Amino acid sequence: DTGVSQNPRHKITKRGQNVTFRCDPISEHNRLYWYRQTLGQGPEFLTYFQNEAQLEKSRLLSDRFSAERPKGSFSTLEIQRTEQGDSAMYLCASGYSTDTQYFGPGTRLTVL
Amino acid sequence: GQNIDQPTEMTATEGAIVQINCTYQTSGFNGLFWYQQHAGEAPTFLSYNVLDGLEEKGRFSSFLSRSKGYSYLLLKELQMKDSASYLCAVSSFNKFYFGSGTKLNVKP
Repeated sequence: DTGVSQNPRHKITKRGQNVTFRCDPISEHNRLYWYRQTLGQGPEFLTYFQNEAQLEKSRLLSDRFSAERPKGSFSTLEIQRTEQGDSAMYLCASGYSTDTQYFGPGTRLTVL
Repeated sequence: GQNIDQPTEMTATEGAIVQINCTYQTSGFNGLFWYQQHAGEAPTFLSYNVLDGLEEKGRFSSFLSRSKGYSYLLLKELQMKDSASYLCAVSSFNKFYFGSGTKLNVKP
């Protein structure tokens, strides 16, 4: 399968714990995006990488969220001190220009 | 700010044609996308418009008017499997802004 992959697919954690998600983009794509989606809403932009550089970060993103893409390939999204409001689907997408964006299957986070 | 509006829900009959509208107000514009999303799954790409006019791809067509900040997705010969949410998204300065989605219910 040469599509975007995300791990884990599901994560249940207790409030206050840290969680980390991984995204492996399509290999030739240099752009990588993270989104958060809650029920009944469209995906909400979190951050954007071009190669290893993080070029955009949503002002809605608190300091508890951090993302990395160390070698310009896979990316990780970490949420520290999780809160119940962080429960959502976290989507990763990759592309090679402004007219392409393909989504991974997402990681569903439940914070108890 | 960025604002993308689309109807919350629509219902149509199998075999019919349905048009889902989207209006947008963004500070920059690099293109408009339509995605299909089945419940519990990730969005899948349907279409992309950057110039005014109609783009046709099989049973799906998408139209764009940049001067009016308006797009629509046209689905022909509806099938039951087309029941899903349809997301309108605008690309602006390396970001993508999504509407809340239109839930389409296709009935027999």
